[in-house]
Amino acid sequence: GENVEQHPSTLSVQEGDSAVIKCTYSDSASNYFPWYKQELGKRPQLIIDIRSNVGEKKDQRIAVTLNKTAKHFSLHITETQPEDSAVYFCAAYNAGNMLTFGGGTRLMVKP
Amino acid sequence: NAGVTQTPKFQVLKTGQSMTLQCAQDMNHEYMSWYRQDPGMGLRLIHYSVGAGITDQGEVPNGYNVSRSTTEDFPLRLLSAAPSQTSVYFCASGPRTSGTGELFFGEGSRLTVL
Repeated sequence: GENVEQHPSTLSVQEGDSAVIKCTYSDSASNYFPWYKQELGKRPQLIIDIRSNVGEKKDQRIAVTLNKTAKHFSLHITETQPEDSAVYFCAAYNAGNMLTFGGGTRLMVKP
Repeated sequence: NAGVTQTPKFQVLKTGQSMTLQCAQDMNHEYMSWYRQDPGMGLRLIHYSVGAGITDQGEVPNGYNVSRSTTEDFPLRLLSAAPSQTSVYFCASGPRTSGTGELFFGEGSRLTVL
């Protein structure tokens, strides 16, 4: 089955700095890669996603890049703000109808 | 729309007891799934369904049963609770039978097994 590794597990940045979270996946047939944000005590919510036919996607301060050859994808957050503090999860979807999540990254943005 | 509704929000069980976590969605989504969330292990898929009458196993199905008699409901049954099943459980639904596209999560159910 699919295996998704996510790094780092914790990340602390100063407000205004950029943050990068990286994920690798094992199944070359995976074709959809979403990112979810989970604030403390809340439910996960989709923030951005990318499909395997696209190399990069941006939405305001967040962007995701995908390298299919190397089987890794990354989340980039620019100009971080305190409200970006949360746990971020990457995930990979394969043709077996299963969405596999990474272990999560706790992002702390210090004012 | 209420979205995805899970009940109960909190539950304490003794080892060996059984219980059902309820999940209902009012968005007419074909895809529904159950995840458990444990510290440092992300979200792990327990079972999922691509439509009424169809269910399949995820990564960690042992000790859990599901059924999908209607599009709206997807209950998760713990047959004989064990301390290893102490976790936060999330139900999620999505508009695509493939499971791609946005998943909408419920608020979660925190289960403690003593």
